[in-house]
Amino acid sequence: DGGITQSPKYLFRKEGQNVTLSCEQNLNHDAMYWYRQDPGQGLRLIYYSQIVNDFQKGDIAEGYSVSREKKESFPLTVTSAQKNPTAFYLCASSLDPGSWFYEQYFGPGTRLTVT
Amino acid sequence: SQQGEEDPQALSIQEGENATMNCSYKTSINNLQWYRQNSGRGLVHLILIRSNEREKHSGRLRVTLDTSKKSSSLLITASRAADTASYFCATEAQGAQKLVFGQGTRLTINP
Repeated sequence: DGGITQSPKYLFRKEGQNVTLSCEQNLNHDAMYWYRQDPGQGLRLIYYSQIVNDFQKGDIAEGYSVSREKKESFPLTVTSAQKNPTAFYLCASSLDPGSWFYEQYFGPGTRLTVT
Repeated sequence: SQQGEEDPQALSIQEGENATMNCSYKTSINNLQWYRQNSGRGLVHLILIRSNEREKHSGRLRVTLDTSKKSSSLLITASRAADTASYFCATEAQGAQKLVFGQGTRLTINP
């Protein structure tokens, strides 16, 4: 049963703590992405990775970090430097960012609340 | 950077009616995609239209693309309560290997 999993679904943290969000895919996709969604808003790109051991900053990378040590995994760390971390975080993957068939497959999301 | 803008922001119609949502964008694109998001869930890909295509159909969905006006529309025919969701357009700008999403249209289908 192929897909993208994100865990946990809900995450609560105290201000000043780093927190890591998990994203795993078994679709054999090369590219993976992290987005942030605020209430009533669209998605904003945080980081993306087109290949293992390589990743690029998106539009709102400040206060976040990622790693891509395995093709299947792309964890996101929300650091204490992120000024407003409370949001809904979505992970996605796609087969080949250079091809016509560029649809992205999304995980169910992690809702992070920082107090 | 916000590439696509959807219009209207919210739409409420009766079950069985057609729903039309519009998306405008700013730069030349390789393709434009539409996604659906049910409340509190991840996005689901609906349809992709390439820059050299003008219209595409998938079941009850019809998407048009006018590159001269930098706009697209999504038509859902014979709407159902299960179509209640937010709909987003996303564009892949030429030279970019990423999608940029609009802010979405929140569609409510009333039984």
